[in-house]
Amino acid sequence: EADIYQTPRYLVIGTGKKITLECSQTMGHDKMYWYQQDPGMELHLIHYSYGVNSTEKGDLSSESTVSRIRTEHFPLTLESARPSHTSQYLCASSDGLGQLSSGNTIYFGEGSWLTVV
Amino acid sequence: AQSVAQPEDQVNVAEGNPLTVKCTYSVSGNPYLFWYVQYPNRGLQFLLKYITGDNLVKGSYGFEAEFNKSQTSFHLKKPSALVSDSALYFCAVRDAYYNQGGKLIFGQGTELSVKP
Repeated sequence: EADIYQTPRYLVIGTGKKITLECSQTMGHDKMYWYQQDPGMELHLIHYSYGVNSTEKGDLSSESTVSRIRTEHFPLTLESARPSHTSQYLCASSDGLGQLSSGNTIYFGEGSWLTVV
Repeated sequence: AQSVAQPEDQVNVAEGNPLTVKCTYSVSGNPYLFWYVQYPNRGLQFLLKYITGDNLVKGSYGFEAEFNKSQTSFHLKKPSALVSDSALYFCAVRDAYYNQGGKLIFGQGTELSVKP
């Protein structure tokens, strides 16, 4: 069982509001990821981090931002939410660095369902 | 470019029958292949992975997967399906060149429905 936690699980907010989705892992993993998933659809990488003070954008363009001040914490922020941001956001983590760790498992949190009205 | 394909959007199986969820992949270099399961309104749970070695990989909940290099496939199987196996299944490949933090590249998912 993976120790990766996301809050809130469900959130309904109004357009223009600022929101932060929290993600924490207790496994000491260096690498963390944020994926976006529309219901029943495939996952798309929006952000990732190699470790503290490392943040990069993924494949899918996103207006969200992330930070990695502590190893265990990788929050995602939307400064001004819009209905197009309605989706599920999945946080994940993995240990190991470099190509030799490609076989390491990526573990996912339970997801945060965001609805912007 | 690396990619994963799950050719069936939905698979229907009767309880007690064997099930197969298909996955094919395209990679440069050694494939690192994974299967995940997602229940409604939940995150992804890791089932199993192929890194190297034995082509038949055993995982959680009685699932197994067979790696076939010549057919570039990694089909998920279970000898006897349960109603509780009904969920969305994702096949994924780890980026062998370690681009973007060694991200997972996902297939589009297959909805498995097991009827009593």
